[in-house]
Amino acid sequence: DIQMTQSPSSLSASVGDRVTIACRASQNIGTYVNWYQQKVGAAPKLLIYAASTLENGVPSRFSGSGSGTDFTLTISRLQPEDFATYHCQQSSTFPWTFGQGTKVEIK
Amino acid sequence: EMQLVESGGGFVQPGGSLTISCAASGFTFSSFEMHWVRQAPGKGLVWVARIKSDGTNTGLADFGQGRFAISRDNAMNTVFLRMDNLSPEDTAVYYCARRQSYSDIWRAPAPRYFYFMDVWGKGTTVAVSA
Repeated sequence: DIQMTQSPSSLSASVGDRVTIACRASQNIGTYVNWYQQKVGAAPKLLIYAASTLENGVPSRFSGSGSGTDFTLTISRLQPEDFATYHCQQSSTFPWTFGQGTKVEIK
Repeated sequence: EMQLVESGGGFVQPGGSLTISCAASGFTFSSFEMHWVRQAPGKGLVWVARIKSDGTNTGLADFGQGRFAISRDNAMNTVFLRMDNLSPEDTAVYYCARRQSYSDIWRAPAPRYFYFMDVWGKGTTVAVSA
């Protein structure tokens, strides 16, 4: 199975900060990476697919980049509603696998 | 509005069985592959199972082989996950999700097809305990 490793596991940031979350795949997966946001007690919400394509309705402060094994989710200016856990997921090969999640907390 | 609503979760003893359901509305259910994803308390997301739009092809995570079965009824707009021989490690919130696809058809020499889960239900909780 392809392992997806996110870093950091958690981070503290302030409103307005630029936040970067990394995701590393255990093998080359091209750009077959998706990013989801999950708030406490809620279902995951798709943010980005194909490594860098923003899902409809997702604010433009979210962006994704990377290919091969290294990927990044960036929030350009953190907003109060962005405090949540973020998950990367590979769809290159079954079984689809997720990173362990990165919790973004208020500083 | 596109919606997925899971049901059927609950408490079950180790070794027991449970079937959970996911009812879809607001989109043409029979056109989409469907997936189940679970999340144990305080843990990350784990892919569980998938079923093609016409139900002819399915896939399961290794931990579900021989214990879980995914099926669907397109007339009822519902996907099911039957789970047998449950253990405490199966305790989790189970989400169903719709698989969407995207293609960069303009790409040469051949387009790529990307898959992702764009509609999720709120989940149903399965708790396995003696």
